[in-house]
Amino acid sequence: DIQMTQSPSSLSASVGDRVTITCRASQTISSYLNWYQQKPGRAPKLLIYGASILQSGVPSRFSGGGSETDFTLTISSLQPEDFATYYCQQSYITPVTFGPGTKVDI
Amino acid sequence: QVQLQESGPGLVKPSQTLSLTCNVSGGSISSGGYYWSWIRQHPGKGLEWIGYIYDSESTYYNPSLKSRVIISVDTSKNQFSLNLRSVTAADTAMYFCAREGRYRGYDSSDYWGHGTPVTVSS
Repeated sequence: DIQMTQSPSSLSASVGDRVTITCRASQTISSYLNWYQQKPGRAPKLLIYGASILQSGVPSRFSGGGSETDFTLTISSLQPEDFATYYCQQSYITPVTFGPGTKVDI
Repeated sequence: QVQLQESGPGLVKPSQTLSLTCNVSGGSISSGGYYWSWIRQHPGKGLEWIGYIYDSESTYYNPSLKSRVIISVDTSKNQFSLNLRSVTAADTAMYFCAREGRYRGYDSSDYWGHGTPVTVSS
């Protein structure tokens, strides 16, 4: 299985901050990397797929980058509704695997 | 707008079979081109992919659960199901169903159910 790691595991930030989360795959996955946002008691929501393609309806303050094994999710100006946990996921090969999550709070 | 809704018992006894159903509305499950998935989340933990079914009969399961899992589709009811046998307390989790599609060459889960909690306890 491809192992996914994320850093940091949690971070504290303020509204308006620029936030970057890193995801690393244990082997190359090209650009088969997705990012999800999950709020407490809710299902995950797709933010970015193909490492950098913004899902329809997702605000442009979210952006993704990277390829092969190293990826980033950036929130350019953190908004109150962005406080949540963010997961990366590789869809390069089954079994699909997720990172452990990064919790963004105040 | 596609919607998914999980249903099933919230409490299952150890060694029994966990059975959940995901009802799909707003689109036909037999229209093809999608993978219908089950994903779970242990309390306070991350996400674990269980498996998916596609083309109504082809399946792929997480090797860690493969010996205990069956995912099936009922096209007449527009729903798909998860059966996980011989459950233990380690199977206590929130269970999500999701639709995975291929967009611009990349697979991702764009629609999710709200999730249903399952507790394994006697």
